[in-house]
Amino acid sequence: NAGVTQTPKFRVLKTGQSMTLLCAQDMNHEYMYWYRQDPGMGLRLIHYSVGEGTTAKGEVPDGYNVSRLKKQNFLLGLESAAPSQTSVYFCASSYSTAGGADTQYFGPGTRLTVL
Amino acid sequence: QKEVEQDPGPLSVPEGAIVSLNCTYSNSAFQYFMWYRQYSRKGPELLMYTYSSGNKEDGRFTAQVDKSSKYISLFIRDSQPSDSATYLCAMSFNTNAGKSTFGDGTTLTVKP
Repeated sequence: NAGVTQTPKFRVLKTGQSMTLLCAQDMNHEYMYWYRQDPGMGLRLIHYSVGEGTTAKGEVPDGYNVSRLKKQNFLLGLESAAPSQTSVYFCASSYSTAGGADTQYFGPGTRLTVL
Repeated sequence: QKEVEQDPGPLSVPEGAIVSLNCTYSNSAFQYFMWYRQYSRKGPELLMYTYSSGNKEDGRFTAQVDKSSKYISLFIRDSQPSDSATYLCAMSFNTNAGKSTFGDGTTLTVKP
């Protein structure tokens, strides 16, 4: 099993450009998440999905959009990149169980720089 | 005020030391308590989790939860240079909500 994979690993954008980050998981997990991690600020939840075709806003959703057309894939889009979106982006997935722990499996991250 | 507060560190200890990493939280509804380890330039990986109060041991690692004080700890015995990483605590509810609240992490360096 590959677990959680993210594409691309690195990207440099100019202000105003758009891009899509792809996350894929092969564990048949229901829940998927997108986080950003900045120095001294921990993990901040951008958007998440509790199942195919559903998405919800997290803590810092502005400037991002997501889609979950297939259970195994979760896409994060930046329509008009800004320097404030320079960060490391992590995707994660977890298996939903009634009354179970939300143990998340993380991808390796995408390092995005917006100039 | 954040729901989950983690000792910010950084923490530097000699090899073989006992390390204590701590988090406090404000929401008494949290039931599951997780610890993740994140090596530099990698994604977090789950170390262990506990349900409700009590201790859980896994090799050199012990997770402790005190729900009455809203305080959790991760102890590392006989620390090794390979334990050098950022440790993140996380908590979730006992429902099908599927969403955790993370601490900001404590960076640990174990010096040989």
